[in-house]
Amino acid sequence: GAGVSQSPSNKVTEKGKDVELRCDPISGHTALYWYRQSLGQGLEFLIYFQGNSAPDKSGLPSDRFSAERTGGSVSTLTIQRTQQEDSAVYLCASSSSQGGYGYTFGSGTRLTVV
Amino acid sequence: GENVEQHPSTLSVQEGDSAVIKCTYSDSASNYFPWYKQELGKRPQLIIDIRSNVGEKKDQRIAVTLNKTAKHFSLHITETQPEDSAVYFCAAGGTASKLTFGTGTRLQVTL
Repeated sequence: GAGVSQSPSNKVTEKGKDVELRCDPISGHTALYWYRQSLGQGLEFLIYFQGNSAPDKSGLPSDRFSAERTGGSVSTLTIQRTQQEDSAVYLCASSSSQGGYGYTFGSGTRLTVV
Repeated sequence: GENVEQHPSTLSVQEGDSAVIKCTYSDSASNYFPWYKQELGKRPQLIIDIRSNVGEKKDQRIAVTLNKTAKHFSLHITETQPEDSAVYFCAAGGTASKLTFGTGTRLQVTL
């Protein structure tokens, strides 16, 4: 597609429920990144994919968080047993190369856990 | 891993004045330093970047300088306009798999 697409744009969920966030990167971009942005805060790295593999998962805050990428394209970030502290905007970015060059961000998913 | 610090956290300038935002990084191997602008409720967008083989880069009213010895880089916006009001993020990367971002600077341009 023309840009990085994320869905849903907004998600309200009850504490304890599982949620899935989707990212559709720019066609042909091999690198895909997930970041989290809490209200008024910076961009916290979660996980990086190169193709379908995730060589860097160091930012995932707990084992409740997982992500996968299939076909070298769409990625899904799953949060199990959501907690209120998970409330944030989850941003996805893609790039045609490693190293952070040429990141293009999606519009994000605003997750609210009530 | 890389650590990026950004100052100030908020900056208010009058229209027409200049604004400067400074960042430091810790990993001497980093060689790519982009700046992103994020308007309220919008996605971060790349506005300018610099690589370590260059000391300064300019694009109209925006310039970035890099001092590799001191491990710091800065964003300079001249002749500020109300539409420059946003949150600005610096980042460092190029060797590791990802960008490490600063904590952001909220710039407000007042009339």
